[in-house]
Amino acid sequence: SAVISQKPSRDICQRGTSLTIQCQVDSQVTMMFWYRQQPGQSLTLIATANQGSEATYESGFVIDKFPISRPNLTFSTLTVSNMSPEDSSIYLCSEGGRETQYFGPGTRLLVL
Amino acid sequence: GIQVEQSPPDLILQEGANSTLRCNFSDSVNNLQWFHQNPWGQLINLFYIPSGTKQNGRLSATTVATERYSLLYISSSQTTDSGVYFCAVESGANSKLTFGKGITLSVRP
Repeated sequence: SAVISQKPSRDICQRGTSLTIQCQVDSQVTMMFWYRQQPGQSLTLIATANQGSEATYESGFVIDKFPISRPNLTFSTLTVSNMSPEDSSIYLCSEGGRETQYFGPGTRLLVL
Repeated sequence: GIQVEQSPPDLILQEGANSTLRCNFSDSVNNLQWFHQNPWGQLINLFYIPSGTKQNGRLSATTVATERYSLLYISSSQTTDSGVYFCAVESGANSKLTFGKGITLSVRP
């Protein structure tokens, strides 16, 4: 199974600022994903992080708000830009491309 | 897109009881996984089960792909089983998972 780490594990931010979340996988993976889990809700896919090309965003999510980088096959970042209280959520990265998809521990973000 | 419905939304059990959690999906799937989200938010993989039956200790799962549903069985429940149980499916070739709304399980001592 893959081991996935995320930094930071939690943060409290002021509205209008940006936060970059890092995701590190312990082995090379083809596909990496970013999900958002709003309080009391299920997980919603934000985007697929593509190595060497622009991320593929799901409906309702845009690059200006959630820029993503994937410089290599083990690492990705998600930036939450110009934050508002509505961005308070758990952000999770995952790796896919095989049978079982594994998730990082998540980043708990509170925007005041 | 594919729809995933889980039932019941909430479940309260006495320790030692058994339970069945259900996941219905609206289209054929390549991948179906059950996850347990613990109180700290960590998603734990329970089963990869697009079809058939699997067992792991007190937990077992069955997916009837032709009828588009999956069941997760928890036997002799323990307080550590508390949390949210998610069913997630993939219906295309892109590995993207669609999650159900989850089932919140509370096991009381």
